Amino acid sequence: QKEVEQDPGPLSVPEGAIVSLNCTYSNSAFQYFMWYRQYSRKGPELLMYTYSSGNKEDGRFTAQVDKSSKYISLFIRDSQPSDSATYLCAMSWYSSASKIIFGSGTRLSIRP
Amino acid sequence: GAGVSQTPSNKVTEKGKYVELRCDPISGHTALYWYRQSLGQGPEFLIYFQGTGAADDSGLPNDRFFAVRPEGSVSTLKIQRTERGDSAVYLCASSLNLAGGPSGELFFGEGSRLTVL
Repeated sequence: QKEVEQDPGPLSVPEGAIVSLNCTYSNSAFQYFMWYRQYSRKGPELLMYTYSSGNKEDGRFTAQVDKSSKYISLFIRDSQPSDSATYLCAMSWYSSASKIIFGSGTRLSIRP
Repeated sequence: GAGVSQTPSNKVTEKGKYVELRCDPISGHTALYWYRQSLGQGPEFLIYFQGTGAADDSGLPNDRFFAVRPEGSVSTLKIQRTERGDSAVYLCASSLNLAGGPSGELFFGEGSRLTVL
């Protein structure tokens, strides 16, 4: 079993829809949870960063962490064609530089 | 720009050859990471450096893979006796290592695409 599981998609939704992306994990020691966005043939870039359980909002993006269920989510409101990309969840044990484990990524397409 | 720079962007080699991939991190970033990404997969951790030393090399798949960062800046990933299964995009990332700070923000380069024929 992988430490981090993520549905690979692809997921296709119309412009303006709310998108829900999810990951589950098996290691309860993870404390720091991240979402990265990766455009084709580019490196991933950080979207959201959260510590422990709870919600965090940044513009159209909301990240949720439920440590009791070992489940994290990213919601995108008012989705735009420019949001079309692969979304990678990631997690780590420590706050300072350390090994970060990525999910396999969900490919998202927003139809105009 | 002042982002992470990786060279070469593409490398085609034959099975059994030796390959070096170079990463130039963002100036001032003390932590440097190497990941490998196969098609349709997420980045797979290989190794990370804190300054000149390898803080965690648990992701290196076998002794054909080796990485150095002799002066705490530029890093080179070295692959000996390449195999077809080594074909992937090799991503380098760097980060500020601020204890207690907003970690998790890795700044990635665009990767070196390695193809082993």
